[in-house]
Amino acid sequence: NAGVTQTPKFQVLKTGQSMTLQCAQDMNHEYMSWYRQDPGMGLRLIHYSVGAGITDQGEVPNGYNVSRSTTEDFPLRLLSAAPSQTSVYFCASRDGQMNTEAFFGQGTRLTVV
Amino acid sequence: AQSVTQLGSHVSVSEGALVLLRCNYSSSVPPYLFWYVQYPNQGLQLLLKYTTGATLVKGINGFEAEFKKSETSFHLTKPSAHMSDAAEYFCAVSVTGANNLFFGTGTRLTVIP
Repeated sequence: NAGVTQTPKFQVLKTGQSMTLQCAQDMNHEYMSWYRQDPGMGLRLIHYSVGAGITDQGEVPNGYNVSRSTTEDFPLRLLSAAPSQTSVYFCASRDGQMNTEAFFGQGTRLTVV
Repeated sequence: AQSVTQLGSHVSVSEGALVLLRCNYSSSVPPYLFWYVQYPNQGLQLLLKYTTGATLVKGINGFEAEFKKSETSFHLTKPSAHMSDAAEYFCAVSVTGANNLFFGTGTRLTVIP
C-alpha cells in the first residue's frame, strides 16, 4: 500500500531553472494538495485540486503551476526557480469527506542556489 | 474564516514528565480537528482526530486530546514522555465548505533524558 508517493526526495536547482515535483496517490482520493514547509511558518497551502481537471490556488501560489489530468497524479511545476522557493514540499491527498484526515507524502527538499 | 494557533514553538520536557502541547482554533462553524506528528526528515503522520461525539480523543503512541468548545481548544497531552516522542507536532482544522486542512505553525518537542 504505497499511499502518497513524491519524487524526487531531494533536488538542487539553479536560479531560473524549471522543474516538476511529482506526486501520485493510489487511494482514489478526490482531493490533492501541495504544501510548503518553512521554519516557524508551519505548512502553507500552494495549490489544491478537488478532482481531475479542477485546480485552485492556495495561500502562496505565485511561482508555481499545477494540473490534474488524472485522479492519481498531481504534479507541481516551478516555472523559474528562485531562492525564496527553497523549502520542503509536501503533497497530500484526502477523500471527499470533511471529517477525514489528509495523507502526506515523504516530502521533497528543494534548494535553489 | 478558520485558523489555528499553537502556543509555544518549542517545548522541552523531561523523560517521564507530562507532555502538554496547546492548540486553539478559530472557526465560525463546528470544526474537525487533527493532530499530526512529523519525525525528522519524514512526512506528517496522523496522531488523532476529533470529528463528532466524544470530546476526549485517544490516538497513537499514548497521546490524547480533548475538544473544549467553550475554550476553542484542542490541546494534546501524554502522561509520560518518551525519548521517541521528540518530533514536531502540528494541529490542523477542517471545516465544512473548505477542501483543505489549515495548519498551525507547529511545536517542536524536545525530551530531555
